[in-house]
Amino acid sequence: EIVMTQSPATLSLSPGERATLSCRSSESFSHRVAWYQQKPGQAPRVLIYDASARAAGIPSRFSGSGSGTEFTLTITSVQSEDFTIYYCQQYENWPPSFGQGTKLEI
Amino acid sequence: QVTLKESGPTLVKPTQSLTLTCTFSGFSLTTSGMGVSWLRQPPGKALEWLAFVSWNDDKRYSPSLSSRLRITKDTSGNQVVLTLTDMDPGDTATYFCVGPLFGIRRPGYYAHWGQGILVTVSS
Repeated sequence: EIVMTQSPATLSLSPGERATLSCRSSESFSHRVAWYQQKPGQAPRVLIYDASARAAGIPSRFSGSGSGTEFTLTITSVQSEDFTIYYCQQYENWPPSFGQGTKLEI
Repeated sequence: QVTLKESGPTLVKPTQSLTLTCTFSGFSLTTSGMGVSWLRQPPGKALEWLAFVSWNDDKRYSPSLSSRLRITKDTSGNQVVLTLTDMDPGDTATYFCVGPLFGIRRPGYYAHWGQGILVTVSS
């Protein structure tokens, strides 16, 4: 089973700053990583799939990169609505697994 | 347009079984290649994948919960049922269904989610 580890647990930034969220996997694989944003009381929303492809309707300030064991979600200029929790997920192998989340706070 | 909705009890007693139904539209599990998964999220905690069923009735389960889980699909192709036996307060969570998923070889990522249903386990 692949373990996904996110860091940091909490990221404190100001609006307009650049956010870099990391996700490390316990096994190496090429690109089957997704990133989700979850706001309180809502289901998660996919932002990025296949490590770097932006999902439909996702603003261009969100980007993903990485391969092997290191994956990154970048928000180039954090907006007020971006302060929430983010999860990474691998779908390289069964069972799919998630990181424990990074909370982006002001 | 894809929609999914979870239904079932919101309160169960310890040792009871939980049965949840996912009713969806915009795709069908009678279509080759399609699948649906269930996930859950305890309050304030991370997401956890539970189970998957495909159009051809291929099933996958979380290794840590496989002895307690069962997933089935109905013949109409627009409902999936999840059963979790021997419920414990630690199973208190919001349960989500997701789909459509494509193929069996890999789990896929989740573009469409139900709204979730909060299930509390308490006597």
